Amino acid sequence: QKEVEQDPGPLSVPEGAIVSLNCTYSNSAFQYFMWYRQYSRKGPELLMYTYSSGNKEDGRFTAQVDKSSKYISLFIRDSQPSDSATYLCAMRNSGGYQKVTFGIGTKLQVIP
Amino acid sequence: DTAVSQTPKYLVTQMGNDKSIKCEQNLGHDTMYWYKQDSKKFLKIMFSYNNKELIINETVPNRFSPKSPDKAHLNLHINSLELGDSAVYFCASSPTSSGQAGNTIYFGEGSWLTVV
Repeated sequence: QKEVEQDPGPLSVPEGAIVSLNCTYSNSAFQYFMWYRQYSRKGPELLMYTYSSGNKEDGRFTAQVDKSSKYISLFIRDSQPSDSATYLCAMRNSGGYQKVTFGIGTKLQVIP
Repeated sequence: DTAVSQTPKYLVTQMGNDKSIKCEQNLGHDTMYWYKQDSKKFLKIMFSYNNKELIINETVPNRFSPKSPDKAHLNLHINSLELGDSAVYFCASSPTSSGQAGNTIYFGEGSWLTVV
């Protein structure tokens, strides 16, 4: 079993839809949870991060972490064609030099 | 200004050759990384350096040798290239603190390596 599982998609939605992206993980020591966005032919860029369980909202984006279920989500409201990208979840233990483990990424296409 | 820059962006080379990818960051970060993204888009860490010192070395063939002349540079040299080395290699950097800033990894644009 991979440490982080993520459906690779692709996921196609119409413009304006609410998008739900999810990851599950097996390592209960993970404390930091992140979402990266990667456009085609570009490097990943940090979109959101949360520490431990809870919700975090930033504009149209909401990140949720449920540590009891080992499940994290990213919601995108009012999706736009410019949101079309691959979304990678990532997580790591607490501490300074712990490595970050990435999901395989979900490819999202928002159709105008 | 490009925060993390790596060169070359595209590299096509024959099996058995030796090649290098260079990376520089101007963010003042202490920690730098090399990640590999394979054809299935899986992003995996290869190496991590903190202030020129190797701190993470995943199971990578010893044909791959990172070198950090100073904390702003982390180069990757690959000997005797094999077909399976074809992938996108990302350089990245982050601050060393374990707080909020320490979670942000800034990636370069990637180097597309094709071994033929």
